[in-house]
Amino acid sequence: AQKITQTQPGMFVQEKEAVTLDCTYDTSDPSYGLFWYKQPSSGEMIFLIYQGSYDQQNATEGRYSLNFQKARKSANLVISASQLGDSAMYFCAMREGGTGGFKTIFGAGTRLFVKA
Amino acid sequence: KAGVTQTPRYLIKTRGQQVTLSCSPISGHRSVSWYQQTPGQGLQFLFEYFSETQRNKGNFPGRFSGRQFSNSRSEMNVSTLELGDSALYLCASSLGGGLTENIQYFGAGTRLSVL
Repeated sequence: AQKITQTQPGMFVQEKEAVTLDCTYDTSDPSYGLFWYKQPSSGEMIFLIYQGSYDQQNATEGRYSLNFQKARKSANLVISASQLGDSAMYFCAMREGGTGGFKTIFGAGTRLFVKA
Repeated sequence: KAGVTQTPRYLIKTRGQQVTLSCSPISGHRSVSWYQQTPGQGLQFLFEYFSETQRNKGNFPGRFSGRQFSNSRSEMNVSTLELGDSALYLCASSLGGGLTENIQYFGAGTRLSVL
């Protein structure tokens, strides 16, 4: 069964510093996608970054990068130069491949607090 | 390009009533998925529609149903509301093809309160 684990319920980081949010996953499917989303207090889920299981390089999107360690089944999100606006819930998610549609499974989330 | 639009944003109902939520996907997206988010259960998958057909379903009772129209807009219906149905309901759209094309973009959600 699919499983996503985010072990950090809450994290604090000083403004302008980097922070790593942990995510481990469990799947037996060789083809899958990993996603990170940000959810501010307004409720909307904002897509941040995507990593495919066959991608050789770690994904990067601006200040976001995904530290993908396939053998360890981990997909940690690194946010560089934290900003006050980064304070939010962050969700790791996984979707398995296939010809049909597969549901995306989300982790429990990590709440990030950025301190001034 | 407009994002995913969910209406209404807030809704208050009483037990036993039914409710219909609407979702308009990003133009060109053919897949629409629905999720329920509660503090206790987190984000749970309800169902996914692609080209007017339900192609996957989560573990929710039959009171939860949905449909998708030819223009990819989707509606979700909950009948005989229970207190536990109070939640944020999120809709997400994607192109619906391979993994990369299944990057889901979410709407702002509908916050349902059942009294």
